[in-house]
Amino acid sequence: DIQMTQSPSSVSASIGDRVTITCRASRPINDYLAWYQQRPGEAPKLLIFDVSALHSGVPSRFSGSKSGTDFTLTITGLQPEDFAAYYCQHGITFPRTFGGGTRVEMK
Amino acid sequence: EVQMLESGGGLVQPGGSLRLSCAASGFTFKTYDLTWVRQAPGKGLDWVASITYNGVYTFYGDSVKGRFTISRDNSKNILYLEMSSLRAEDTALYYCAKTHSTSGYYFDSWGQGTLVTVSS
Repeated sequence: DIQMTQSPSSVSASIGDRVTITCRASRPINDYLAWYQQRPGEAPKLLIFDVSALHSGVPSRFSGSKSGTDFTLTITGLQPEDFAAYYCQHGITFPRTFGGGTRVEMK
Repeated sequence: EVQMLESGGGLVQPGGSLRLSCAASGFTFKTYDLTWVRQAPGKGLDWVASITYNGVYTFYGDSVKGRFTISRDNSKNILYLEMSSLRAEDTALYYCAKTHSTSGYYFDSWGQGTLVTVSS
């Protein structure tokens, strides 16, 4: 099975900050990588798929990139509604695997 | 608007069984693969099982293989998860999710979840 290692597990940030979250796949997954946001008490929401494609309605301050088997979610200009947990997920094969999650907390 | 509504969760003893349902609307149900994802209290997301649009193929996580069965009724727009031999570690909020409209490897619509608690 492919393991998705996400870092950091938590990050403290302020409004307006640039936040970067990384996910590393245990083996190549091509571009089959998505990012989800989960606010407390809510279901996850798809943010980005295929590494860098923004899902419908997602603000442009969210972006995704890839370098080898390392994938990055960047939030440029953190907003109050962005304090949440973020998860990566690969889609190249079954079982689908999520990263362990990153909690973005207020500094 | 896509809606997915899970039901069937509750308290069950270890070794017991439970059937979860997910009623869907707002999209052409029979043309989308569907998935169950769970989340233990305070923990991350854990993919459980997926089923193809026609129900022909099913896929399971190692931790539930042989104990859980995913199925669907395309005439009723309902997804199911039959769970047996339940363990304490199966305690979680169970979400149903629809695959993305253009990239079927991801999940673009989720329900609010139904809570399963396995305890004596």
